Amino acid sequence: SAVISQKPSRDICQRGTSLTIQCQVDSQVTMMFWYRQQPGQSLTLIATANQGSEATYESGFVIDKFPISRPNLTFSTLTVSNMSPEDSSIYLCSCRVNTGELFFGEGSRLTVL
Amino acid sequence: SQKIEQNSEALNIQEGKTATLTCNYTNYSPAYLQWYRQDPGRGPVFLLLIRENEKEKRKERLKVTFDTTLKQSLFHITASQPADSATYLCALDLGGKSTFGDGTTLTVKP
Repeated sequence: SAVISQKPSRDICQRGTSLTIQCQVDSQVTMMFWYRQQPGQSLTLIATANQGSEATYESGFVIDKFPISRPNLTFSTLTVSNMSPEDSSIYLCSCRVNTGELFFGEGSRLTVL
Repeated sequence: SQKIEQNSEALNIQEGKTATLTCNYTNYSPAYLQWYRQDPGRGPVFLLLIRENEKEKRKERLKVTFDTTLKQSLFHITASQPADSATYLCALDLGGKSTFGDGTTLTVKP
């Protein structure tokens, strides 16, 4: 299993600013992911955070808007850049363990005014 | 196009009954399928994983089946309790990435 700590748990931000979300795992993991969950909807994969190289982004998500860092096997950050109200959502960090299941953080609830 | 559908947005049952949730998919060939529970304001919590060569898996009151011919998974909660009330998500593993269905919100009434 894995325990993920994510912060901030929530924030209210002004349009045009950027916010960085941090994700810490209690053990070394190969695969880390960032998901977005808009109100009342399911999870959408933003990107796979690759250790030591650039993240792999899903269709509709770009590095300039959602830069991701993965400096080691236990830590990753997601930045939401130049925010607009449409970015208001819950952002979830997750990791995959060797047996295949995902573990999630509690999420970062972002409100953009 | 690829699609994951979970049977209904909401399912209401009486305590003690068996809840059956459905996950159907099209145009995928997943190596495995997973079920998660999500409570309001919380991250999803892993429940069960079933691989393409497995027909059924059980864990306590939970049972999941996986039919790759029908492209369907069924998730059962037996002897349901009000504490089982939550949103249940199925997820398909495709090339190392998991794609989630929209979820079914289960309410178990006492």
